[in-house]
Amino acid sequence: DTEVTQTPKHLVMGMTNKKSLKCEQHMGHRAMYWYKQKAKKPPELMFVYSYEKLSINESVPSRFSPECPNSSLLNLHLHALQPEDSALYLCASSQEGASTDTQYFGPGTRLTVL
Amino acid sequence: EDQVTQSPEALRLQEGESSSLNCSYTVSGLRGLFWYRQDPGKGPEFLFTLYSAGEEKEKERLKATLTKKESFLHITAPKPEDSATYLCAGIAYSGGYQKVTFGTGTKLQVIP
Repeated sequence: DTEVTQTPKHLVMGMTNKKSLKCEQHMGHRAMYWYKQKAKKPPELMFVYSYEKLSINESVPSRFSPECPNSSLLNLHLHALQPEDSALYLCASSQEGASTDTQYFGPGTRLTVL
Repeated sequence: EDQVTQSPEALRLQEGESSSLNCSYTVSGLRGLFWYRQDPGKGPEFLFTLYSAGEEKEKERLKATLTKKESFLHITAPKPEDSATYLCAGIAYSGGYQKVTFGTGTKLQVIP
């Protein structure tokens, strides 16, 4: 099974709201990723977690706050977002984050910021 | 700066009309290349990983090949259900983590 699940599927929020995106995998993977994808653009890496520790933050604004409570779960906390943050947010996981590992993606959360 | 370029941007084929998608890359320390398929509003679905020049992989109507400068995804006798955006991505290993650079994709439409 190579399934990564994400909830919710869709999210609409105002600029003053606080919300969270959730990602879960039960493949025993130890590397997890958050990507942002704007319409007709490729996915762009935001964060990398390796063994539940934040390894990479690709200069993402602090209004996005990732959290990895355990090896199966990855959250993305959202606060004071801007309309330009509207996008498809994708979670992925890979076995250990080694160069030869395959990244498996979830279905994404479509976020709209009003 | 690492760069992955895909062509054409969009491709319209008749059902059964074979064709190839191109992915050219300049990725420092390239370790391999991914191919994914993405349907609208959904996450990328893994197709292939290619690690070295000369390598070929096949899955149903799809065949991916890799040279030192580019990769091709050949689609043989496509069906309407093959309609999707196909993404390639260069894999590097930097600072202790896997770094993936995606191309902008080729949007394939297969007409019955």
